[in-house]
Amino acid sequence: EAGVAQSPRYKIIEKRQSVAFWCNPISGHATLYWYQQILGQGPKLLIQFQNNGVVDDSQLPKDRFSAERLKGVDSTLKIQPAKLEDSAVYLCASSFWSREQYFGPGTRLTVT
Amino acid sequence: GQQLNQSPQSMFIQEGEDVSMNCTSSSIFNTWLWYKQDPGEGPVLLIALYKAGELTSNGRLTAQFGITRKDSFLNISASIPSDVGIYFCAGHSTDSWGKLQFGAGTQVVVTP
Repeated sequence: EAGVAQSPRYKIIEKRQSVAFWCNPISGHATLYWYQQILGQGPKLLIQFQNNGVVDDSQLPKDRFSAERLKGVDSTLKIQPAKLEDSAVYLCASSFWSREQYFGPGTRLTVT
Repeated sequence: GQQLNQSPQSMFIQEGEDVSMNCTSSSIFNTWLWYKQDPGEGPVLLIALYKAGELTSNGRLTAQFGITRKDSFLNISASIPSDVGIYFCAGHSTDSWGKLQFGAGTQVVVTP
């Protein structure tokens, strides 16, 4: 069974630029999550989708972050404009019953 | 923010030694998950626990769901070099179902 796919793996941008990350969940997983992981910390949930609807986006900085999952499968997370403090690893995860979450390899973002 | 207290923060052990780490919360949890994260990769699910008192093994790893439902423990027996990494506890509390909370992680370093 293929795992969660993410791209790109690494991205370096200057502050105020925009960036987008892509995620393809495990086949059949209706729930998709985006997390932000700052160095030395555990992942922090940004947004949770159930199929193509948003379940929880309470910790998503909506003035600069946006995410969509239009067809209920893959998803994109966008940051516009980026700030220095957005430097982190962005993890995508998926689950079948909202219990066991399976993570992708992440995208390491560096904002200079 | 994180409500889980994970300890120790780091461990330096010799190959062959056993490792113990734990996670405590102020809330009652109905799920405990343990993940391992290697550098540059996403967290990989090791063990999932769903009942108070449950004891589950995965090879040399054993985890327990605490009786009070506010803690969990992970043990690694006879450590080997590939056990190096950061171990995260995570769980669903009864008052935030679906939202996975993470500990800050325990970094394990194994010396030959």
